[in-house]
Amino acid sequence: GQSLEQPSEVTAVEGAIVQINCTYQTSGFYGLSWYQQHDGGAPTFLSYNALDGLEETGRFSSFLSRSDSYGYLLLQELQMKDSASYFCAVRGGNNRKLIWGLGTSLAVNP
Amino acid sequence: SQTIHQWPATLVQPVGSPLSLECTVEGTSNPNLYWYRQAAGRGLQLLFYSVGIGQISSEVPQNLSASRPQDRQFILSSKKLLLSDSGFYLCAWRSGSSGANVLTFGAGSRLTVL
Repeated sequence: GQSLEQPSEVTAVEGAIVQINCTYQTSGFYGLSWYQQHDGGAPTFLSYNALDGLEETGRFSSFLSRSDSYGYLLLQELQMKDSASYFCAVRGGNNRKLIWGLGTSLAVNP
Repeated sequence: SQTIHQWPATLVQPVGSPLSLECTVEGTSNPNLYWYRQAAGRGLQLLFYSVGIGQISSEVPQNLSASRPQDRQFILSSKKLLLSDSGFYLCAWRSGSSGANVLTFGAGSRLTVL
């Protein structure tokens, strides 16, 4: 089968750095994405990794290791507004469909 | 720029009543369109996707249906709602020319079935 695993909850304080991990098991792999969703809102795209390595976009970075079927989202200089759910998603399988993790709820405390 | 509109934003419906949610996309042509459902505190479940007018693929057998009458219009329907249909419904589009994994979502429709 195909599955993604990510922690259900993470807590951190303002100004800190937090890493949200995602491991996947798919029959094929065509890229790992991260989305952010605030309570009551729609998911918004954050980053995409198709190749191994680190992609940086401002305070957010995303890493991929295809050999380990693993990726992470790194959030630096945390702000209260970063409190949200973060989803990893992998395009995989024979039909290249997007497979979603169950999301990680990040709480940033003062 | 591309935008996606989804309505209604909120609705409360009795069990057994019909449903129609509408989604339209502007600023792009021939988009891949998706309907997702998200239960409270859960991940996203793909319900339907469409690669073109009249082309609908169903991911989960249920009492919902989808239609794509125009290139940039995607409709989610039900003839008789069940309690289990409650949830947050999200329409999304992926341009055929964009990065492989970038979906843009509408604001969502929150459905409560009583």
